[in-house]
Amino acid sequence: DARVTQTPRHKVTEMGQEVTMRCQPILGHNTVFWYRQTMMQGLELLAYFRNRAPLDDSGMPKDRFSAEMPDATLATLKIQPSEPRDSAVYFCASGLGQGGPYEQYFGPGTRLTVT
Amino acid sequence: GDSVTQMEGPVTLSEEAFLTINCTYTATGYPSLFWYVQYPGEGLQLLLKATKADDKGSNKGFEATYRKETTSFHLEKGSVQVSDSAVYFCALSGGGSYIPTFGRGTSLIVHP
Repeated sequence: DARVTQTPRHKVTEMGQEVTMRCQPILGHNTVFWYRQTMMQGLELLAYFRNRAPLDDSGMPKDRFSAEMPDATLATLKIQPSEPRDSAVYFCASGLGQGGPYEQYFGPGTRLTVT
Repeated sequence: GDSVTQMEGPVTLSEEAFLTINCTYTATGYPSLFWYVQYPGEGLQLLLKATKADDKGSNKGFEATYRKETTSFHLEKGSVQVSDSAVYFCALSGGGSYIPTFGRGTSLIVHP
């Protein structure tokens, strides 16, 4: 049963520290999405890759967040420096498409707490 | 731009009750429509989908019909179980953009 995996599942860190979250998309999927979920804002799209190229990161605070796909099996989301307002659950999702409607498969999420 | 509006929650029901969660959308073109479910502590899972007008998506007793004339995709289940307690998200993709657009989610609580 193919699944999206995310590490770590939980992260507690102090304000100002760097945080790196990792995602392994389902093998063969060519699109990767990063989302942030909070009670107040709901589900927010942070970044979107297709064939490892970043296509949309307009939802991401550029001064502190960065997203990359070093290879087809790994996507990373970094926050440097982290702030308490970054506390949220971060989801990675993958899908298969060449510009068609996307059916997404979500990972279990990384729950980030910044103190 | 594209948008999805869901009914506010929580929806609280007794076991075996009938469920309806309303979803309406605004989109250019002809989007595909989706329902995702999120159980506590987990990521979203695709529950069902419909790709064109009048299609009915179904899975695990849940159904939703793509109604283009009313721009709606309401989720229904004839008899809910305690295990259906979760947050349900309506979504679309392929309207003005292929980037998926999600509703805010509707929490369902089912009591024994």
